[in-house]
Amino acid sequence: AQKVTQAQTEISVVEKEDVTLDCVYETRDTTYYLFWYKQPPSGELVFLIRRNSFDEQNEISGRYSWNFQKSTSSFNFTITASQVVDSAVYFCARGSNNQGGKLIFGQGTELSVKP
Amino acid sequence: NAGVMQNPRHLVRRRGQEARLRCSPMKGHSHVYWYRQLPEEGLKFMVYLQKENIIDESGMPKERFSAEFPKEGPSILRIQQVVRGDSAAYFCASSHDAHLLNTGELFFGEGSRLTVL
Repeated sequence: AQKVTQAQTEISVVEKEDVTLDCVYETRDTTYYLFWYKQPPSGELVFLIRRNSFDEQNEISGRYSWNFQKSTSSFNFTITASQVVDSAVYFCARGSNNQGGKLIFGQGTELSVKP
Repeated sequence: NAGVMQNPRHLVRRRGQEARLRCSPMKGHSHVYWYRQLPEEGLKFMVYLQKENIIDESGMPKERFSAEFPKEGPSILRIQQVVRGDSAAYFCASSHDAHLLNTGELFFGEGSRLTVL
């Protein structure tokens, strides 16, 4: 199976620390896309970013940044100067161009940011 | 412009009863996906529907589960004779296009949490 692996089950940091959440994916597709979603304690899924496989440019959005490395099949997510409100479960997911919204999700990383 | 609407948000059923979960996609979206999230796990794809058609049901359990997306009205995920193992959060997502590389958007609802007593 073409998996998405988030090796870190839980991470705990103190406010203002930087934290990186790892995501490694497997795929045989030449065209695919990758997502990160945030699931706060309230339970909804919040879209954070989508990246196409042909666009390896890293992206920064405020305190969030993403590092896409096709050579290592990784799509890591960094939160700079973490805040308590960042506490949530974060999911990485992969989709394929020929499978629409059928995504394969990682197991999630639970981030706890303590004051 | 309302997002993906799911109801009920919380549903409690006793073993053997039926559960019906509804999903209204975003306006203009004709592609609907259902996912299940078991406790402390990631989301798992269940089924992909377009209006009146099931496109991919490879993630659906073979028995007791069914899904539909009629021409009019919401998509419905139906679980017959529920068991405790069906307790989970069920998420619906919708998209405008089958090929997300064209539109880039896949929107999730807030989920329906089923508890089976």
